[in-house]
Amino acid sequence: AQTVTQSQPEMSVQEAETVTLSCTYDTSESDYYLFWYKQPPSRQMILVIRQEAYKQQNATENRFSVNFQKAAKSFSLKISDSQLGDAAMYFCAYRKVQGAQKLVFGQGTRLTINP
Amino acid sequence: DGGITQSPKYLFRKEGQNVTLSCEQNLNHDAMYWYRQDPGQGLRLIYYSQIVNDFQKGDIAEGYSVSREKKESFPLTVTSAQKNPTAFYLCASTRGQGTFSGNTIYFGEGSWLTVV
Repeated sequence: AQTVTQSQPEMSVQEAETVTLSCTYDTSESDYYLFWYKQPPSRQMILVIRQEAYKQQNATENRFSVNFQKAAKSFSLKISDSQLGDAAMYFCAYRKVQGAQKLVFGQGTRLTINP
Repeated sequence: DGGITQSPKYLFRKEGQNVTLSCEQNLNHDAMYWYRQDPGQGLRLIYYSQIVNDFQKGDIAEGYSVSREKKESFPLTVTSAQKNPTAFYLCASTRGQGTFSGNTIYFGEGSWLTVV
């Protein structure tokens, strides 16, 4: 079974600085997708960024980028120029390409932004 | 606007009662999911359905039941057999299977269930 591990329960960063959230996963599949979701206090799950495993190039979305290391099964999220609105729970998630299209989530990292 | 609608937002259940959480989507998505989130925890899959009239158990299906009679609807019933149902419940949907289609899973706003 696939598993996703986020080893940092909590992280904090000064506003305008850069922070990196870690995620590792375990799978025997060669094709899959990886996601980072943000969950603010409203509890709405918001997609931050997505990576296809077959793509070597790391995905970027404005201030958000990932470091995808397929051999190491690592998928970290870097947030540049942190803003107060970035404060939230961040979840790493895995999904197979073939078969059941379900997301497997990590336990989450609570990110605090210090003004 | 297209999206996923969950209702009610807040629900209180008495001991021994069954309650049903509604999930409706107008995105024409094939697959739908129910997740449970406990405080400070990640999301755990309860049930999922990839096509109408078919659904599969997730990791924590005991004490729950679902139906998928229509493409746009996937209600979740929390039965009295679920011993600790107090949690936040999230419904989600996606277009469906497709190699490298990269279908993103979208979420509703969630429902809070409390046992009183």
